[in-house]
Amino acid sequence: EAGVVQSPRYKIIEKKQPVAFWCNPISGHNTLYWYLQNLGQGPELLIRYENEEAVDDSQLPKDRFSAERLKGVDSTLKIQPAELGDSAVYLCASSYRTSSGELFFGEGSRLTVL
Amino acid sequence: AQSVAQPEDQVNVAEGNPLTVKCTYSVSGNPYLFWYVQYPNRGLQFLLKYITGDNLVKGSYGFEAEFNKSQTSFHLKKPSALVSDSALYFCAVRAPMDSNYQLIWGAGTKLIIKP
Repeated sequence: EAGVVQSPRYKIIEKKQPVAFWCNPISGHNTLYWYLQNLGQGPELLIRYENEEAVDDSQLPKDRFSAERLKGVDSTLKIQPAELGDSAVYLCASSYRTSSGELFFGEGSRLTVL
Repeated sequence: AQSVAQPEDQVNVAEGNPLTVKCTYSVSGNPYLFWYVQYPNRGLQFLLKYITGDNLVKGSYGFEAEFNKSQTSFHLKKPSALVSDSALYFCAVRAPMDSNYQLIWGAGTKLIIKP
C-alpha cells in the first residue's frame, strides 16, 4: 500500500515569493491534515479536511496561506507571499477515521525562505 | 488548557538496556493518549495509543506505554533497546470532548541508543 506522498521534499525561495506544496493521501482516507513543524517542536495543525470540506482551519493564517482539496483526494497548500518565519517543515497526514487518532504522515516538505 | 510535556529533550541509553521516554499531560476528562516516532528523514509513524481499559498498552516494534492517571503520565517503555530505536519520539493527547478530535503534541524527545 502506498503511503502519503508529498512534494517537493525541499524548497528554497526568497521572501515574498509564492510556494505550493502538494499531498496525495492514502487511498480511501477521507481525512487529510496539513501540519507545520518547526525544529525542535511538535507538529501544529494548520487545517483538516473531511473529504473536500475544510472542517477545521482555525489555525491557518488566512492572510497568506490557502489550501484546497478538490475532489476530496489530493490537496495543495499555498503560501503567498512567503515570509522568513515560514521556514519550517510542512507535513501532510491522512487517516481513515478521524476519531481514531491514528494518522499516517508523509515525509514532509522542508521550506527555507531566504 | 490542554497541554503535553516531554521533560527530556534527549535520552541516552546503551543497547540492550531498558528505556523510558517520559510524557505528562494536562487535559479535562479522561484523555486519549498517543505515541508517534519520527526516524531521520522519514514521516511520523504511529506507535500506540491509550483510549480506555488496561493501563499498559503494547504497540509496534516492542514498545509499550503505561497510563498513570494519578500522575497524569503516559511514559513510553521498551525492555531492551536497539540501536535502530534511535529516533525522535512524540507524545500527543486529545481531550475526549473535543469535537475537532485535535491532537496536542509534545515537543519531542530525541532517543539515542549507543552500541
